[in-house]
Parts: sequence; structure tokens; C-alpha cells
Amino acid sequence: EVQLVESGGGSVLPGGSLRLSCAASGFTFTNYWMTWFRQAPGQGLEWVANIKGDGSQNYYVDSVKGRFTISRDNAKRSLYLQLNSLRAEDTAVYYCARDGNYHDGRYYYDVFDVWGQGTMVTVSS
Amino acid sequence: AIQMTQSPSSLSASVGDTVTITCRASQGIRSDLGWYQQKPGKAPNLLIYAASNLQSGVPSRFSGSGSGTHFTLTINSLQPEDFATYYCLQDYNYPRTFGQGTKVEIK
Repeated sequence: EVQLVESGGGSVLPGGSLRLSCAASGFTFTNYWMTWFRQAPGQGLEWVANIKGDGSQNYYVDSVKGRFTISRDNAKRSLYLQLNSLRAEDTAVYYCARDGNYHDGRYYYDVFDVWGQGTMVTVSS
Repeated sequence: AIQMTQSPSSLSASVGDTVTITCRASQGIRSDLGWYQQKPGKAPNLLIYAASNLQSGVPSRFSGSGSGTHFTLTINSLQPEDFATYYCLQDYNYPRTFGQGTKVEIK
């Protein structure tokens, strides 16, 4: 079964750190870009960061640049998000997702076809 | 960052109705757009990718269209399980950006 399972969420003080993990199973992990999304309580979805299958490229939303680091360990079939210098506005459910990536012969398109169940991060004093 | 504007932000509809949700991009994004459905407490579920391609396993009552700056998601013959929040997501450039969501409620 194709599956993603997040872990590592919790409550942390402002300025603190957390490391989120996403364990993949049922597919060839190294073949896929992987992405982190988040959703603040009662709010919409936000794309946070992604990383290429071999780990050689990554991108971030401006609001987390310099504070969050995405990484992966293909041998362990795991995706990570290191969250540093946390702020109250980082409070959210964090989801990892697989990018199935569709190519129409000319362009590539994101296809977020597998998602984890989410892990809650609460930043509060 | 590209801004994605969805409308309406919410709507009420009955089972069997046809519903149309619109997403407008602040600049041209070719057909680089997906639609996602989210139910309370659950992860999003992919419906449409590349503007008009139906994801495997998604009922054919869902369809997407558009290119450039104007996109639509249509749900024909709304079913009870379709009451949810719907989001568009552009993948034309980074950072990827979502519309603010459209909540489809039961009339």
C-alpha cells in the first residue's frame, strides 16, 4: 500500500525547534519530488517546501526561508522538515505529499496524489 | 508570488445540482493548475491536474477547464459526499500558491 506517515509534531515555545518526519512506503521513494504543506487552524492550505528525488534541488516559501530546512534520506525512505526559530504563525497541521509529476511531452505538472495524515505543530508561550 | 483568487468563497447547493467554482491567477500560468478537495480533519485529495486531467479514481462528475488566468472546476450532479472545501493550486512557478478555498455546503 502506498502510504505516507508524518510524525514529530508537538507544542513548542516561540523561538524553539522541531523536526518533522514523513515515512514513505509502497513506492520507489527516490523517484519522486516530495513536498511539505501546512494549514493553520481554520485557514486555507499553504505550500511550504519541496525537494527533488535525489535531494539536489529544493524550494521554499519566503516566510520560512532561513528558518526551515527540508531534507530526505532515501535509504530510510524518509522526508524531513527541520523547523527552527518558530513563531506563533507557524502553528499549523503539516502535511507531506508525494508529487506524482505528470509530463505531457512538453511540460511537467505537479500531481500531489499521495498525502500523509498530518502532524500538528503548536507554537505558543 | 502568483496570487490565486477563488470564487465564491462559499456556496450552498442541493444534491443533484451542478456547481461551478472559479479560480483566477494574477498572471498567466498556462495549464499549470490542480484542484483539491478537503473534508474536515482530513488531508486534501487530488481531483484534477494540469487544469483538465481527471485523477485516477475520481468520479467523472468532476471536471476542470481553463488556461492562462481563468480556470473552473465543475461538479455535475452533486452528491452528498461532495460537500467539502475545494482549493486550486498553481504549479507554474515557485512558490506554489493556493486559492483561498471554496466551501460547498448543503442547502
